[in-house]
Amino acid sequence: AQTVTQSQPEMSVQEAETVTLSCTYDTSESDYYLFWYKQPPSRQMILVIRQEAYKQQNATENRFSVNFQKAAKSFSLKISDSQLGDAAMYFCAYRSAPLITQGGSEKLVFGKGTKLTVNP
Amino acid sequence: DAGVIQSPRHEVTEMGQEVTLRCKPISGHDYLFWYRQTMMRGLELLIYFNNNVPIDDSGMPEDRFSAKMPNASFSTLKIQPSEPRDSAVYFCASSFFKEQFFGPGTRLTVL
Repeated sequence: AQTVTQSQPEMSVQEAETVTLSCTYDTSESDYYLFWYKQPPSRQMILVIRQEAYKQQNATENRFSVNFQKAAKSFSLKISDSQLGDAAMYFCAYRSAPLITQGGSEKLVFGKGTKLTVNP
Repeated sequence: DAGVIQSPRHEVTEMGQEVTLRCKPISGHDYLFWYRQTMMRGLELLIYFNNNVPIDDSGMPEDRFSAKMPNASFSTLKIQPSEPRDSAVYFCASSFFKEQFFGPGTRLTVL
């Protein structure tokens, strides 16, 4: 079974600075997706960024980018120019890519999360 | 589109009572998921459907939990009888291709 580990329960960053959140995962599959979700105090789960394992290029969405190291099974999230609105819980998640008929699954496996505080 | 809709947003009930959580997925999405979030266990999948058919219910904790999807626009998660350890936030999510879109969640408190 796949597992996702976020080793930083809490992180803090100064407004306008850059912060990196860590995530490692364990899988025997070669094709999969990785995601970062943000959960602010409103508890709404918001998709931040997605990475396909077959793509070597790291995904980027505005101030958010990832460092995907497939061999190391590492998937970190970098937030540049941090803003007060970035304060939230951040969850790393894994999903199989193969079809269900090939042993894949649509379910997301989540890490325990990292609480990010942004200081003004 | 209004996104995934869940009701109620908050539910407080007493131990032993039946609880029904409701979800309306995004129109056109063919997958629907129920997740539970607790401090101890984090976010965990309970069950998911594809085209209204349950595909994986291995996360359903016990027989007190049941889920149905009678049509493409509606699903329920029922707990009967409820217990204090069922207190959690329950999320419904739907997807069409790669990303899952989550509803606002239902915070359930069982006294």
